[in-house]
Amino acid sequence: QKEVEQNSGPLSVPEGAIASLNCTYSDRGSQSFFWYRQYSGKSPELIMFIYSNGDKEDGRFTAQLNKASQYVSLLIRDSQPSDSATYLCAVKPGTYKYIFGTGTRLKVLA
Amino acid sequence: NAGVTQTPKFQVLKTGQSMTLQCAQDMNHNSMYWYRQDPGMGLRLIYYSASEGTTDKGEVPNGYNVSRLNKREFSLRLESAAPSQTSVYFCATQKGGGNTGELFFGEGSRLTVL
Repeated sequence: QKEVEQNSGPLSVPEGAIASLNCTYSDRGSQSFFWYRQYSGKSPELIMFIYSNGDKEDGRFTAQLNKASQYVSLLIRDSQPSDSATYLCAVKPGTYKYIFGTGTRLKVLA
Repeated sequence: NAGVTQTPKFQVLKTGQSMTLQCAQDMNHNSMYWYRQDPGMGLRLIYYSASEGTTDKGEVPNGYNVSRLNKREFSLRLESAAPSQTSVYFCATQKGGGNTGELFFGEGSRLTVL
């Protein structure tokens, strides 16, 4: 079992729809969780981080964390073609340790 | 305010050649990291530096060395490049510490070893 698992996609959603990206992790000691967006040929860019169970909203983005189920998700409301990218889930089980998933490719269809 | 700057952006090497990837940050962060990213493999940690003067191995350190020159600079050296080291390399810094702290990435260095 991979330490951080994401569906590689592509996940295709129509413009204006909600995109739902999911991530599961294996280390129950993980304290911090991150979502990064990576456009093709570019570096990862932080979108959101979440530390506590529940939802955290920032504009069109909502991160959801359920530590009991070892599950973290990212919702993108009113998806735009510019949201088309690969989304990386990262988990931080230790002070200097980050574990990245392989990413989910999102395609927003105009 | 450049954030995290990596040089060079692109490099082609022949097997056995050596080179150094440079990384500099102006974010005043203590911790710095070197990752490599390969298709289907995700980001894998090569080395990290928790603070100036310290370095530690990550998941895939073989074939690499690092130097934390000062708080701003963290370099990655390939002593004898191999085709398996063809990859995109990212330097990152960590904001904050402890169990929190986001990573901020440089633009990446794309290395091809022939």
